Amino acid sequence: ELKVEQNPLFLSMQEGKNYTIYCNYSTTSDRLYWYRQDPGKSLESLFVLLSNGAVKQEGRLMASLDTKARLSTLHITAAVHDLSATYFCAVDMLVIQGAQKLVFGQGTRLTINP
Amino acid sequence: DSGVTQTPKHLITATGQRVTLRCSPRSGDLSVYWYQQSLDQGLQFLIQYYNGEERAKGNILERFSAQQFPDLHSELNLSSLELGDSALYFCASSVARDRGEVGYTFGSGTRLTVV
Repeated sequence: ELKVEQNPLFLSMQEGKNYTIYCNYSTTSDRLYWYRQDPGKSLESLFVLLSNGAVKQEGRLMASLDTKARLSTLHITAAVHDLSATYFCAVDMLVIQGAQKLVFGQGTRLTINP
Repeated sequence: DSGVTQTPKHLITATGQRVTLRCSPRSGDLSVYWYQQSLDQGLQFLIQYYNGEERAKGNILERFSAQQFPDLHSELNLSSLELGDSALYFCASSVARDRGEVGYTFGSGTRLTVV
């Protein structure tokens, strides 16, 4: 069964610093998603990574995918308070043709302090 | 607005009761997925429907059932509710994977509190 593990689970950092969230998964997949969730809110799609070596950037966030290592990273550059949220990675698992599901990591609760 | 509509936003009910959560997918999306988010279990996949047919099942309890109607909206029925069923329930929709498109759109969720 596919397992998705994130680390760290909790991250407190200062504004202006850089940090990386790691997402490991246990079986082959060709699609990986990163989501942001604010407390009590819905899941906001940040990135969709479709192939080995894919790198996407949006503002201070950059995501990458290494399918051989089964590893994705979400890098935060020069963090600002507005990035405080919980970040989830999710692996798209094809169950059978026409049937699929997202398997989520545990989430990383990021707190950015002034 | 993501285009996926969930109602109600909040629901408070007593143990042993039955509730129905409703989801309207984004226009053009044929697949609907239900997820449960709780503090102890995280985000868990419950069930997928595609164009009215059940396609994939996760760790969905026997007390829970779902269906997708001809207009593509979906309902998740939770019965004999227990305190542990309190959670945030999300619906998501997508186009068919084998059409080569990607992406899931999540609704705003229904917060269920069982007292």
